[in-house]
Amino acid sequence: GENVEQHPSTLSVQEGDSAVIKCTYSDSASNYFPWYKQELGKGPQLIIDIRSNVGEKKDQRIAVTLNKTAKHFSLHITETQPEDSAVYFCAASTGSGGYQKVTFGIGTKLQVIP
Amino acid sequence: DGGITQSPKYLFRKEGQNVTLSCEQNLNHDAMYWYRQDPGQGLRLIYYSQIVNDFQKGDIAEGYSVSREKKESFPLTVTSAQKNPTAFYLCASRGAGLGETQYFGPGTRLLVL
Repeated sequence: GENVEQHPSTLSVQEGDSAVIKCTYSDSASNYFPWYKQELGKGPQLIIDIRSNVGEKKDQRIAVTLNKTAKHFSLHITETQPEDSAVYFCAASTGSGGYQKVTFGIGTKLQVIP
Repeated sequence: DGGITQSPKYLFRKEGQNVTLSCEQNLNHDAMYWYRQDPGQGLRLIYYSQIVNDFQKGDIAEGYSVSREKKESFPLTVTSAQKNPTAFYLCASRGAGLGETQYFGPGTRLLVL
């Protein structure tokens, strides 16, 4: 089955700096890669996603890149702010039609220091 | 206000007791999921359902049971057979179609007395 590895497990950056979180996946059939942000005691919230036919996607301060050949994708947050502090999960999704198998990374705890 | 609701927010279980976690969605999604979250282990799939009256075991189904009698509801029962139930439980749903996103509820934290 699919295996998703996520690095680093913790990340501290100064406010205003950039943060990068990296994930690798094993199943070349994976075709959809969402990123979630989870604040303490809450459910994960989708922040950005990318499909396998796209190499990069950007939404304001957040961007995701995908390298299908190397089977890795990354989350980039620029101009970090204290409210970006949370746990971030990457995921890889495989499937077609009605069923979608989603495998999650173990999460990265991001701390933005004011 | 569309979304996924889970109740209760906190739940306490006594030894030998079965408890049921509620999950309701008004997004008209066909697929619903239950995940367990433990520190340092990410999200692990317990059960999923693609359609009413049908559900499948995930990676860690032992000690859990579900039902899907209505499209909008997917309750999870933590049975006494689950020896280590303390965790954060997350329900999710997803619309039909390839590559549709899973949306999560706010979670239920289960603690053992």
